[in-house]
Amino acid sequence: QGQLVESGGGLVKPGGSLRLSCAASGFTFTDYYMSWIRQAPGKGLEWTSYISSSGNSMYYADSVKGRFTISRDNAKNSLYLEMNSLRAEDTAVYYCARRHISTRAFDIWGQGTTVTVSS
Amino acid sequence: VLTQSPATLSLSPGERATLSCRASQSVTSNYLVWYQQKPGQVPRLLIYGASSRATGIPDRFSGSGSGTDFTLTISRLEPEDFAVYYCQHYGNSLFTFGPGTKVDIK
Repeated sequence: QGQLVESGGGLVKPGGSLRLSCAASGFTFTDYYMSWIRQAPGKGLEWTSYISSSGNSMYYADSVKGRFTISRDNAKNSLYLEMNSLRAEDTAVYYCARRHISTRAFDIWGQGTTVTVSS
Repeated sequence: VLTQSPATLSLSPGERATLSCRASQSVTSNYLVWYQQKPGQVPRLLIYGASSRATGIPDRFSGSGSGTDFTLTISRLEPEDFAVYYCQHYGNSLFTFGPGTKVDIK
């Protein structure tokens, strides 16, 4: 069925940077678009970015455009999110998710990694 | 923009739950999705394509709608169904989630 495991979260000061990783297993990683979705404490889900299966196309929500960069290493079955110029409002659990090929639904989610932006 | 109503739905086990998701403009029903999230858990895919149940989802869950109005119906609430439900849409290369409806025990 597949599994996604995120890592790299932590406490960072405003203006700082952090790199999240997501290790995929149990499915053919190169077949799927992948995404990062976040959830602030006590709030709803917010999509942030996605990347095509080849890694050639990336799309971002306006809230993170210019500050976050999504990338992938298909040889390592891994997805990444480079986060710069972090703000308090970026504090959230960040989920890595697989986008179903035809339905555009997120059918596999990781357990999430927590990012806290605070001085 | 997706809006969901009501924000909270208080019902008893065995009752029927009807959750609404409304889009600010007509959307492709092929890309209208529903998720369930229980406290402390990861979101789970329930419905895709507005009306197709994901693998392993009980048939008490059903989705319907088109255009701007979509509905998730839980025919008879089981204790494990009390959770937050989100609708989501894909369009113009972007994904949008609704704010969620919390179904809690009356």
